[in-house]
Amino acid sequence: GQQVMQIPQYQHVQEGEDFTTYCNSSTTLSNIQWYKQRPGGHPVFLIQLVKSGEVKKQKRLTFQFGEAKKNSSLHITATQTTDVGTYFCAGSPTSGTYKYIFGTGTRLKVLA
Amino acid sequence: GEEVAQTPKHLVRGEGQKAKLYCAPIKGHSYVFWYQQVLKNEFKFLISFQNENVFDETGMPKERFSAKCLPNSPCSLEIQATKLEDSAVYFCASSQSSYKDNYGYTFGSGTRLTVV
Repeated sequence: GQQVMQIPQYQHVQEGEDFTTYCNSSTTLSNIQWYKQRPGGHPVFLIQLVKSGEVKKQKRLTFQFGEAKKNSSLHITATQTTDVGTYFCAGSPTSGTYKYIFGTGTRLKVLA
Repeated sequence: GEEVAQTPKHLVRGEGQKAKLYCAPIKGHSYVFWYQQVLKNEFKFLISFQNENVFDETGMPKERFSAKCLPNSPCSLEIQATKLEDSAVYFCASSQSSYKDNYGYTFGSGTRLTVV
């Protein structure tokens, strides 16, 4: 079946350092979403990318969708302790199904 | 309010007992989804509804799992004869109708099911 892998699985950074997580799908995606889940919490929607090569920014967060629509990345500039959590990508293989395959997640720890 | 309400927050069942979880989606959201999150953070898709109709049930272990979304009632996910491996956090999410807009899922806070 379709798989969505994320690397790295874990990342520890010093506060102020940058962080990037990569998401790779075994098949072409219609669109991709990113979520953040704090420890003990529920996933919170961050953004959706639809177009090939799309780049979107939210303050210190930059999201990219690959040209082939099979990979994506989330980059955080100058991490803060509030960035702690697990970041998931979620890909939709087919338009209109609203079914998302979640990636394996990257757990971020930020050391003050 | 603009939140997905899931009850109960915690549920403990003996192996073989029935478990029933509830989810009230955001009013106006056409789609409801159930996901199972196990300890390694993996999210497994179970089932989705478009209003009260099953939209995609490819993730459901049909022998023991069933789900409904009836009009004017919370959606429900029922597990007959629970097994130890059913222990997980079950998340419900709802979304607006158009995936093309920048709307993602709105998740509930989850129900933690522990089977002992």
